[in-house]
Amino acid sequence: AQSVTQLGSHVSVSEGALVLLRCNYSSSVPPYLFWYVQYPNQGLQLLLKYTTGATLVKGINGFEAEFKKSETSFHLTKPSAHMSDAAEYFCAVNDRGSTLGRLYFGRGTQLTVWP
Amino acid sequence: EPEVTQTPSHQVTQMGQEVILRCVPISNHLYFYWYRQILGQKVEFLVSFYNNEISEKSEIFDDQFSVERPDGSNFTLKIRSTKLEDSAMYFCASSGTRTGVSREQFFGPGTRLTVL
Repeated sequence: AQSVTQLGSHVSVSEGALVLLRCNYSSSVPPYLFWYVQYPNQGLQLLLKYTTGATLVKGINGFEAEFKKSETSFHLTKPSAHMSDAAEYFCAVNDRGSTLGRLYFGRGTQLTVWP
Repeated sequence: EPEVTQTPSHQVTQMGQEVILRCVPISNHLYFYWYRQILGQKVEFLVSFYNNEISEKSEIFDDQFSVERPDGSNFTLKIRSTKLEDSAMYFCASSGTRTGVSREQFFGPGTRLTVL
């Protein structure tokens, strides 16, 4: 089974600062990779995904993530944080061999943005 | 924009009671899922459903759980006899259309189940 590790359950940044949320996966075969965001009292919303092709993936709200096979990582970044980015962020993967795409999630990282 | 909806948003029940959590997936999707998140823990996969049958289930999804698509729009999760440890947020998701298998799963807002 896949294992997903998100380093740091809480990350705090100032408005305008760089956001970096870390995600590592365990599989030796690169899976499909996803970042989801959850705002208070809402469901999980897809930020971005990597399946094939370019390893730097751009998502919504100015976020991007880079797939690094050698590091088994898929870290999420945003150059300049905004107050509205405060939310919980989940990294998730599924197996390429899994037709129906069962997702394995990390524990989540709560992002706080200070004014 | 199409979205997954779930009802109720919050369900409180007594231990040993049966609960049914309801979901309306996106209308042209073919694959349906239930996940749960116990407070402070990871989001965990429970079950996936395709073509009117379970395609995969996790070790969590024991005989106390069942899923059903009773009509063309609803997808339900039933817990027959709830336990305290079933208290969690339950998320429904759907994906995939007839034109191809999208690996993007669209999630509902969740149902918070509290077992007393």
